[in-house]
Amino acid sequence: QQQVKQSPQSLIVQKGGIPIINCAYENTAFDYFPWYQQFPGKGPALLIAIRPDVSEKKEGRFTISFNKSAKQFSLHIMDSQPGDSATYFCAASEGGPGKLIFGQGTTLQVKP
Amino acid sequence: SQTIHQWPATLVQPVGSPLSLECTVEGTSNPNLYWYRQAAGRGLQLLFYSVGIGQISSEVPQNLSASRPQDRQFILSSKKLLLSDSGFYLCAWSLVVTEQFFGPGTRLTVL
Repeated sequence: QQQVKQSPQSLIVQKGGIPIINCAYENTAFDYFPWYQQFPGKGPALLIAIRPDVSEKKEGRFTISFNKSAKQFSLHIMDSQPGDSATYFCAASEGGPGKLIFGQGTTLQVKP
Repeated sequence: SQTIHQWPATLVQPVGSPLSLECTVEGTSNPNLYWYRQAAGRGLQLLFYSVGIGQISSEVPQNLSASRPQDRQFILSSKKLLLSDSGFYLCAWSLVVTEQFFGPGTRLTVL
């Protein structure tokens, strides 16, 4: 099964809150899990990525948590800011960052 | 540094007309190249990818085709556009062991 299921579809938080976006997959051969951030009218930009040999990765205010046994991974945004308002996509690929399978996206709004 | 260009940025075309979208990458050699389509409010759907000149793999059977005439040039085409071809088309590149980098996209509206 090549799908990556992402939830929620949309999310509204107050400034300083910690939005959490979740993704689930079925293909146990997936070995690369990136998150992309997309602003309206722009191409997605890589935010952070993880491989299944680690359970957590932090880059600045962004953290990926990875649960290999549950086949789930999530993005946490610490101390969220209005500038973080964007659409976030999780993705997965097999055999390195080649053919990415994307989730459906989560539109995040951070209110001032 | 590497940069990726797409043009045109926006395009409005009538049903049944041909299409040609171009993507070029600068600052790298022999990249993997990808075409994605993003429908409104939806995720990204991989359409084609290429690992070298003249090597094209299609992921979804449809009304579109792709070509790679040069190492850093990737073209998306159609002979006759359908209404369902409307969307945001994104080109991306990667090297074998690095992440994918996306271009600015082309907004296509078929009327």
